[in-house]
Amino acid sequence: KAGVTQTPRYLIKTRGQQVTLSCSPISGHRSVSWYQQTPGQGLQFLFEYFSETQRNKGNFPGRFSGRQFSNSRSEMNVSTLELGDSALYLCASSEGFSYNEQFFGPGTRLTVL
Amino acid sequence: AQTVTQSQPEMSVQEAETVTLSCTYDTSESDYYLFWYKQPPSRQMILVIRQEAYKQQNATENRFSVNFQKAAKSFSLKISDSQLGDAAMYFCAYRSLETGGGADGLTFGKGTHLIIQP
Repeated sequence: KAGVTQTPRYLIKTRGQQVTLSCSPISGHRSVSWYQQTPGQGLQFLFEYFSETQRNKGNFPGRFSGRQFSNSRSEMNVSTLELGDSALYLCASSEGFSYNEQFFGPGTRLTVL
Repeated sequence: AQTVTQSQPEMSVQEAETVTLSCTYDTSESDYYLFWYKQPPSRQMILVIRQEAYKQQNATENRFSVNFQKAAKSFSLKISDSQLGDAAMYFCAYRSLETGGGADGLTFGKGTHLIIQP
């Protein structure tokens, strides 16, 4: 089976813009989670989707949003970008809920100038 | 909220030797999972080992084993016969299983950078 794929791999944006990141889970996986990784804050949970429904949300402002489609693919959107949003955004998929083994994608490196 | 602490920002070990990475966590819950993830320089996070809190037996995966002390809230990772390919960031992670829990997804520690000396 193909692994978790994330597009794009690298992205450069300027402050105030918005961005959409995409994640395609492993075939058959219904749960997708998103994490932000920065040198200062480490890995932080953004949100989790299961069968198109957001199950959990981390402590991030409303500028961060996401959705999941019927084919389990997921997108996350960040509006009004700030310099502090520069990070590696990781997507992970699992068969059921995310306490099952999560398989991570390679991440999208977002740089905000 | 749960917290996960990895007190060793960096560890170094000679190839073929054994190294133990420390992890402690703070929770008031009794049902949860603990994980060790490895993130090599390529950045793809890989699950190393998983421990269910209700299991008293320590999990083992080939050269990787854990020492799970539930009362002490400690979850250390032992890597035996270290290999150059083990060099990576290692993250300890916690996931609640209780009703209404899991609201934070996986809670990660800050990570331990493991260096393997040839």
